[in-house]
Amino acid sequence: GAVVSQHPSRVICKSGTSVKIECRSLDFQATTMFWYRQFPKQSLMLMATSNEGSKATYEQGVEKDKFLINHASLTLSTLTVTSAHPEDSSFYICSAGGTRGGYGYTFGSGTRLTVV
Amino acid sequence: AQSVTQPDIHITVSEGASLELRCNYSYGATPYLFWYVQSPGQGLQLLLKYFSGDTLVQGIKGFEAEFKRSQSSFNLRKPSVHWSDAAEYFCAVASGGTYKYIFGTGTRLKVLA
Repeated sequence: GAVVSQHPSRVICKSGTSVKIECRSLDFQATTMFWYRQFPKQSLMLMATSNEGSKATYEQGVEKDKFLINHASLTLSTLTVTSAHPEDSSFYICSAGGTRGGYGYTFGSGTRLTVV
Repeated sequence: AQSVTQPDIHITVSEGASLELRCNYSYGATPYLFWYVQSPGQGLQLLLKYFSGDTLVQGIKGFEAEFKRSQSSFNLRKPSVHWSDAAEYFCAVASGGTYKYIFGTGTRLKVLA
């Protein structure tokens, strides 16, 4: 149990386009999901907290208009990188927290975004 | 402020040798503590976690960690390292019940044959 599925695993996009990343909890309901970003050879930094049915909470320094988060159901949260630029190239990873099933420590497999 | 420190950026050990990865945390209340492993280009795999109770916790792949409140530490150990253990290891702390993580900077483990 406690599987978090993240898609796509890799994506390459042109500068100025938008990319959507999906994070799904497959066998439990996630009232909260977290989105992290990891630059090469660095640690994971929390970007935002996604709450089902409400607006996401963004960490300081994260542009909410650039990183759109939607958590429309208890099993799906999406992160859309809008007007992507090369500096947005990074590894994005989600985790599910605050779950009714108690599974709060499972991460998705991550998405490698490359903006060219 | 909450923080996690992993003092060692890189560690190299020989296969079969013992391993200890250090982790120190700063947290106001009783923390939820985790160790994760990340292979290159991959997501995070949970090795073990501590919420409460016995301060020595056993994890997968032969890893264990000991919570020492007096030292604010949660060091990861393995008695005999295998070549497949080469990876990046992250210590993390989360506030109880929310699973909002703060990660350490990671320790990259290299294993010599």
